[in-house]
Amino acid sequence: SAVISQKPSRDICQRGTSLTIQCQVDSQVTMMFWYRQQPGQSLTLIATANQGSEATYESGFVIDKFPISRPNLTFSTLTVSNMSPEDSSIYLCSVEIHGARTEAFFGQGTRLTVV
Amino acid sequence: GENVEQHPSTLSVQEGDSAVIKCTYSDSASNYFPWYKQELGKGPQLIIDIRSNVGEKKDQRIAVTLNKTAKHFSLHITETQPEDSAVYFCAASSLSGGYNKLIFGAGTRLAVHP
Repeated sequence: SAVISQKPSRDICQRGTSLTIQCQVDSQVTMMFWYRQQPGQSLTLIATANQGSEATYESGFVIDKFPISRPNLTFSTLTVSNMSPEDSSIYLCSVEIHGARTEAFFGQGTRLTVV
Repeated sequence: GENVEQHPSTLSVQEGDSAVIKCTYSDSASNYFPWYKQELGKGPQLIIDIRSNVGEKKDQRIAVTLNKTAKHFSLHITETQPEDSAVYFCAASSLSGGYNKLIFGAGTRLAVHP
């Protein structure tokens, strides 16, 4: 299993500013994933982050808007840049653990409100 | 790419009744179908999953069925309890680059009334 800690758990930010979300895992993992969950909606994958290389972004998401760092095998950050009210969402960090059972684990999420 | 549709969007049942949530997927290459439960203020948590070489899987009150030909899979919860109230998401994926890229359904908000 994996325990994922995200910081902050919630924040209210002014438009035009940036917020960096931290994700800490209690075990070493190759891939970390960042999702966005808009209010009352499903989860959409933003990007996958592999340690030591640039993140791979999904269609509709760009590095300038959502820069990601992955300095080691247990930590990653997602920055939401130049925020607008449309960025108000829950952002979730996830890892996949392979063992007897392959399972994705999620952090509790960061609830972001942009005003 | 993969597209997952989930129905219903909301489901209200009486305690003790059964609840069924259905999903369809589009990509025949998908071979892994997990179900997640998300409670308020928490991240999704895996409750059951099924792979394409299996037609049905059961874990206590929860079961999942898969019809590969029709490209649909369903979650069945029997003897529902108030603590089953949550949002449930289905997902579909195939292994790519060593990991599962999960495509989620829109979610079902389940309310179990005492």
